[in-house]
Amino acid sequence: AAGVIQSPRHLIKEKRETATLKCYPIPRHDTVYWYQQGPGQDPQFLISFYEKMQSDKGSIPDRFSAQQFSDYHSELNMSSLELGDSALYFCASSPWTGAPTGAFFGQGTRLTVV
Amino acid sequence: GNSVTQMEGPVTLSEEAFLTINCTYTATGYPSLFWYVQYPGEGLQLLLKATKADDKGSNKGFEATYRKETTSFHLEKGSVQVSDSAVYFCALSGGEGAQKLVFGQGTRLTINP
Repeated sequence: AAGVIQSPRHLIKEKRETATLKCYPIPRHDTVYWYQQGPGQDPQFLISFYEKMQSDKGSIPDRFSAQQFSDYHSELNMSSLELGDSALYFCASSPWTGAPTGAFFGQGTRLTVV
Repeated sequence: GNSVTQMEGPVTLSEEAFLTINCTYTATGYPSLFWYVQYPGEGLQLLLKATKADDKGSNKGFEATYRKETTSFHLEKGSVQVSDSAVYFCALSGGEGAQKLVFGQGTRLTINP
């Protein structure tokens, strides 16, 4: 079965650079979520999209932005990177059924800021 | 707001031992409850879920029952294997927290042969 695809899997950037993370949801899933997981931490919700519109917003820094495109893939853009942005970034997708179904996660992008 | 509290880890057991990982939650409305598992270097995999009170979720020998009266969703397995070694996250979504998942802090489980 198709899963959530994230790219790249690993990314190394310098401070103050920008990074773009991509997410391709499971076919027919119209909702995408982004999470950030620091070392030894639980995943923290950043932002979500439903039908290309932002549906919820969590602890996403102003330096970050995201969008969902017409083919439902999503991109997380991160600017002015800081050392503290080093983390695993997960994308998850789910169908919008009106009731929580849980979400299916990608393998994650490990971002290292040096 | 919604929150999830898990038993502190790490947890180390011998193979074939009985496993319990405690999870309690605070939520408004009627959330759905989930257990996710994360193997080293991988993403989170949905292990099981329950969407209403007294529902029992089960998968791969793991079980958890949605207890509204005690606001709990404890994970159990009767006989663990070395391959069960991973980090386990309890999570909830729904209620007034909409669709996003709120996770507990995770419990690292190590099974020794």
